[in-house]
Amino acid sequence: DSGVTQTPKHLITATGQRVTLRCSPRSGDLSVYWYQQSLDQGLQFLIQYYNGEERAKGNILERFSAQQFPDLHSELNLSSLELGDSALYFCASSTTGIQNSPLHFGNGTRLTVT
Amino acid sequence: TQLLEQSPQFLSIQEGENLTVYCNSSSVFSSLQWYRQEPGEGPVLLVTVVTGGEVKKLKRLTFQFGDARKDSSLHITAAQPGDTGLYLCAGAPNFGNEKLTFGTGTRLTIIP
Repeated sequence: DSGVTQTPKHLITATGQRVTLRCSPRSGDLSVYWYQQSLDQGLQFLIQYYNGEERAKGNILERFSAQQFPDLHSELNLSSLELGDSALYFCASSTTGIQNSPLHFGNGTRLTVT
Repeated sequence: TQLLEQSPQFLSIQEGENLTVYCNSSSVFSSLQWYRQEPGEGPVLLVTVVTGGEVKKLKRLTFQFGDARKDSSLHITAAQPGDTGLYLCAGAPNFGNEKLTFGTGTRLTIIP
């Protein structure tokens, strides 16, 4: 058990809808990362937060947004969903925000857009 | 963007055999991490290598970081069914605030 909790485990929704994915980091970790994993794209970095502030941005679409709250949990909001957004979404946390910090991953949210 | 290529993409071998998978880049990394991901779970960190030429052992797994810190290999001795999974390497950039870059992965299946 990595100590990182993601909910929900599965999500099925229709195109055009909006969903929110939630992540609670490992106790004591200040940094949260969001990744998207699909069969043809591998593990793609979306965004990183450190202690409530955005630290780094990757290939995150404008339809997607995220935030980290004062209690350090994070939410990833996906809107105007398209079929191509179907993927596994992982949250990871680390103690520090530096880029070579070991990451502790949750078990992901499997999003299916129909 | 720093790219990490892993090879082979798929590998299926019999229990007890040895294998090596590779992680290559044209970029230099300050450190490199190896993760294993099992179905339905997130990646789990196996090891971090930092120094060029460094070799780390984790039971039957041997990890090596290239002298120039551009590549790495993972060697498994006497593979077991429990070694089955997706092996991912991830490189930490050598400068600035660039993100950790993940390789495309090697999907390993050990046949009992």
